[in-house]
Formats: sequence, structure tokens, C-alpha cells
Amino acid sequence: NAGVTQTPKFRILKIGQSMTLQCTQDMNHNYMYWYRQDPGMGLKLIYYSVGAGITDKGEVPNGYNVSRSTTEDFPLRLELAAPSQTSVYFCASSYRRGDQETQYFGPGTRLLVL
Amino acid sequence: AQSVTQLDSHVSVSEGTPVLLRCNYSSSYSPSLFWYVQHPNKGLQLLLKYTSAATLVKGINGFEAEFKKSETSFHLTKPSAHMSDAAEYFCVVSEGGFQKLVFGTGTRLLVSP
Repeated sequence: NAGVTQTPKFRILKIGQSMTLQCTQDMNHNYMYWYRQDPGMGLKLIYYSVGAGITDKGEVPNGYNVSRSTTEDFPLRLELAAPSQTSVYFCASSYRRGDQETQYFGPGTRLLVL
Repeated sequence: AQSVTQLDSHVSVSEGTPVLLRCNYSSSYSPSLFWYVQHPNKGLQLLLKYTSAATLVKGINGFEAEFKKSETSFHLTKPSAHMSDAAEYFCVVSEGGFQKLVFGTGTRLLVSP
């Protein structure tokens, strides 16, 4: 299994441009998450999904959109990039067994908005 | 709301000496607690997790953590540091329901020869 994969690894955007960060997992996990990590900080949840067709907002959703048309894919869309969105973005997926869950993270996408 | 506090932003040790990374949590529920490690320019890797079974949890690479409810702590330890342990460590608590994770701000572990 490749686990959680993310593309691209690094991207520079101009203010106002749009882009989609891709995330794919091959573990058949129902739950998927998008986080951002700002310098010197922990991760903050942007959006999450509990299954195909179901998404919900996390702690910092403004400026982002997501979709979940398949179990494997959970893309994150930035419509109008702003300097405040400069960050490292991590995708994660997980399964639940009873009340236990472990999240597995991708390698991250580093985004710079100038 | 649940929260986690990592008491040290940086910890420096010499190779071969013990490691202690401190974490306190706040939770209204029976929490699940995790330690993740992040090496430079890498993603996060799960070190260990506590989910209401044994209070002493053993993880990968010789790390372990002890859940102490009375002290609301979940400190990470290792008997002998290795150069490859140099990384950022995150203490994480789950936020019930869909297990949305709440991250601490991280502790950077520096290991000198």
C-alpha cells in the first residue's frame, strides 16, 4: 500500500489564483481530513469527510472547499489564494474500530502565496 | 472543548541520555491521546497511542508514554536518545465524536553528539 499520497509537493501561487491540492489513499478508509500547519504551530483542521459524498467544516475552513466523490480521493480547493494561506497542508485518513481510530498522514504540500 | 499543552517548545539532550517530552491535556470525555513525530520536511508518523487500555503505552523506536489521569498528563519518554530522534514531536488529543484531533504546538527535540 502506498498509504496517503499528496500532490504537488510544493507550489507557488500568486494572490487571487486558484488551485487544487490532491489527496489519495489506498487503505479503503472512510474518514479523511485536511489540516494546515503554520510555522511553529500544531496542525489545525480545515475540513473532514466521514465517507463519500459527506464533508464538514473543521476549525479553519474559510477560503477552502472540498469534495468527496470517491472513498479514495479528497481534494482541497483554494479559489482565491491569499498570503494567509501560505502553509503546509497535510491530508490524513483513518478507520474506526469500535471507538478507536488512528489517523495516517500524507507527506504534505508546501504552498507559498505571493 | 479539549486541548493539549506541550510544556517545552525545545528540549536538548545528548546522545545516550534520557528523553522526556511533557504533555498535559484537558478533556471532558475519556480521551484518546497520541504522540506523533515529524522529521524535517516529512509528514507525521504515529509513535504511540493511548485508548483507555494499559496506562503505560509502548511505541516505536523505544519510545513510551504513561497516561496519568490524576495529573492529566501524557509525557513521552525514551531511556537513551539517538541522533535520529531529532525531530518535532506533537502531543495530540482526540475530540470525541468523529475523533477530530487537537494538536499541541509541538516540542523540537535536539540531540547532540
